[in-house]
Amino acid sequence: ETGVTQSPTHLIKTRGQQVTLRCSSQSGHNTVSWYQQALGQGPQFIFQYYREEENGRGNFPPRFSGLQFPNYSSELNVNALELDDSALYLCASSRRDRNTGNTIYFGEGSWLTVV
Amino acid sequence: AQTVTQSQPEMSVQEAETVTLSCTYDTSESNYYLFWYKQPPSRQMILVIRQEAYKQQNATENRFSVNFQKAAKSFSLKISDSQLGDTAMYFCAFMNGNQFYFGTGTSLTVIP
Repeated sequence: ETGVTQSPTHLIKTRGQQVTLRCSSQSGHNTVSWYQQALGQGPQFIFQYYREEENGRGNFPPRFSGLQFPNYSSELNVNALELDDSALYLCASSRRDRNTGNTIYFGEGSWLTVV
Repeated sequence: AQTVTQSQPEMSVQEAETVTLSCTYDTSESNYYLFWYKQPPSRQMILVIRQEAYKQQNATENRFSVNFQKAAKSFSLKISDSQLGDTAMYFCAFMNGNQFYFGTGTSLTVIP
């Protein structure tokens, strides 16, 4: 158990719809990162939130957006869903002011299928 | 730009034997971290081992060890005494500034 909880675990959406994925980070962790893992690929960095502000973004369009709340939990929102958005979405939490690596934990992911 | 390359899409090893997974990376940074993550069918990313670039000594963690060659930008993972529970996807990852860059993974199967 990593203490990082993601919901929902699986969902199916129709092209053009919007989706919200949620992540509860481990206690004491103030940084949340989101990754997209397409089938057969390694995870790709979407963005990171630190103390409720976006702190770095990968090569993803603006229809991928996020939020971090005062309790450090986070949401990933994707608008105007496309078939290629079908993937596993991973959340990783960490405490930024500590040595990185040992304190980064991944959730089990949310499987999104767009039909 | 940082890139991570894993050139072995699939590998297999007999139980109790040793296997080495390869990884190369490209970066212009001097301070960074390297990781191996294991992803079983449950899809949970599990940290196997990490290496700080400024440390010359290779990291070890029980049956897992790395061969870190900074000049060659190579970071291979050796698994000794392979166990059935080691069957999983293995991802090599580079971190700089809190962002991971992952390779495409190596699917390892341990054969009884």
